[in-house]
Amino acid sequence: AQKVTQAQTEISVVEKEDVTLDCVYETRDTTYYLFWYKQPPSGELVFLIRRNSFDEQNEISGRYSWNFQKSTSSFNFTITASQVVDSAVYFCALSDPNSGNTPLVFGKGTRLSVIA
Amino acid sequence: ETGVTQTPRHLVMGMTNKKSLKCEQHLGHNAMYWYKQSAKKPLELMFVYSLEERVENNSVPSRFSPECPNSSHLFLHLHTLQPEDSALYLCASSQDRVGGGTYNEQFFGPGTRLTVL
Repeated sequence: AQKVTQAQTEISVVEKEDVTLDCVYETRDTTYYLFWYKQPPSGELVFLIRRNSFDEQNEISGRYSWNFQKSTSSFNFTITASQVVDSAVYFCALSDPNSGNTPLVFGKGTRLSVIA
Repeated sequence: ETGVTQTPRHLVMGMTNKKSLKCEQHLGHNAMYWYKQSAKKPLELMFVYSLEERVENNSVPSRFSPECPNSSHLFLHLHTLQPEDSALYLCASSQDRVGGGTYNEQFFGPGTRLTVL
């Protein structure tokens, strides 16, 4: 069975600090996708990134970067120079595109608080 | 209007009431989902519709009844709810996943915050 673990329930950092959110996943499939979503206080989940299991290149998008390591089944997310607007709950998710209609499996989320 | 919209944003109802949640997507997607988000629990998938047909129902109590009249609209009819049903109900949509090889990138609405008294 697929499973996503986000061990950090809550993290608090001071503005401008870097912070890394951990995500560890379990799957028996060789083909899968990994996602990160952000849920600000307004409630909706905002898509941040999708990563194919065959693409282990790290990705950087502005202050955001993602480190995908298949050997440790991890897909960690780093925010550089954090800002108050980064305060939100962040979810890591996993899907298997070849299993028909199986939807995303989400982790429990990490609540990030950035203090000014 | 773009993206995924949900109405109402907030709803308070008694246990004997009947109400409906509405979701609309303007993305041309063919799959729609209902999720429940309770405090301190991971997102729980409730229902999946693909091309207006229900394809997955994760053992949701019958007091929750979904309806998908077309690929752009999804409803969740509520009847005789319990206080423990109080939660944020999120709707999402994605490109149709039938056929394999596609990914389940889902776009979410802002949710309906439901309180059952």
